[in-house]
Amino acid sequence: GQSLEQPSEVTAVEGAIVQINCTYQTSGFYGLSWYQQHDGGAPTFLSYNALDGLEETGRFSSFLSRSDSYGYLLLQELQMKDSASYFCAVRSTDYGQNFVFGPGTRLSVLP
Amino acid sequence: NAGVTQTPKFQVLKTGQSMTLQCAQDMNHNSMYWYRQDPGMGLRLIYYSASEGTTDKGEVPNGYNVSRLNKREFSLRLESAAPSQTSVYFCASSTRGTGELFFGEGSRLTVL
Repeated sequence: GQSLEQPSEVTAVEGAIVQINCTYQTSGFYGLSWYQQHDGGAPTFLSYNALDGLEETGRFSSFLSRSDSYGYLLLQELQMKDSASYFCAVRSTDYGQNFVFGPGTRLSVLP
Repeated sequence: NAGVTQTPKFQVLKTGQSMTLQCAQDMNHNSMYWYRQDPGMGLRLIYYSASEGTTDKGEVPNGYNVSRLNKREFSLRLESAAPSQTSVYFCASSTRGTGELFFGEGSRLTVL
């Protein structure tokens, strides 16, 4: 079996930096993805880490440490439109190497 | 480019009724998935299809059946709907082995 943990809520102000952590337990690990979901919308892909280290895509960065079973999503220069739920998802040997999602972190960006 | 298209977007059923959720993708992806999303629980994998002609159970398959009709289409069937199946259902597709899933807009199902 496997489990993923994320904080349920995070609040920050416009222009700030916020980090959303994800810890996981899985029997066979291939990679960690991050998704953004606005209320009433579909999840959209942000990043994928298969190897240790930092991946940067514009204002968003994602980090993975396989030895610590830990990753995080870093959002810089926060904007109001970043208010959404963020999900980490682990690709593992469970269910044919498909993705299992964490419970999600709701980010609120305040003016 | 439509991506992943799901129908219907909304549906209300009575307990015991049956229905099929349809999903089609136009990205030539091999893999397709059905997830359900309940408040505070993230997305849970119901069934997946790694390629045309194959389907496998995910985390929560009970009460559902699927059909991979061809490479483009993957349907989810509820044979006898129960209130516990009230949820938002998402279809997704991907190129196998990559980290990115492409999601449809979701189908909001209520079972009374």
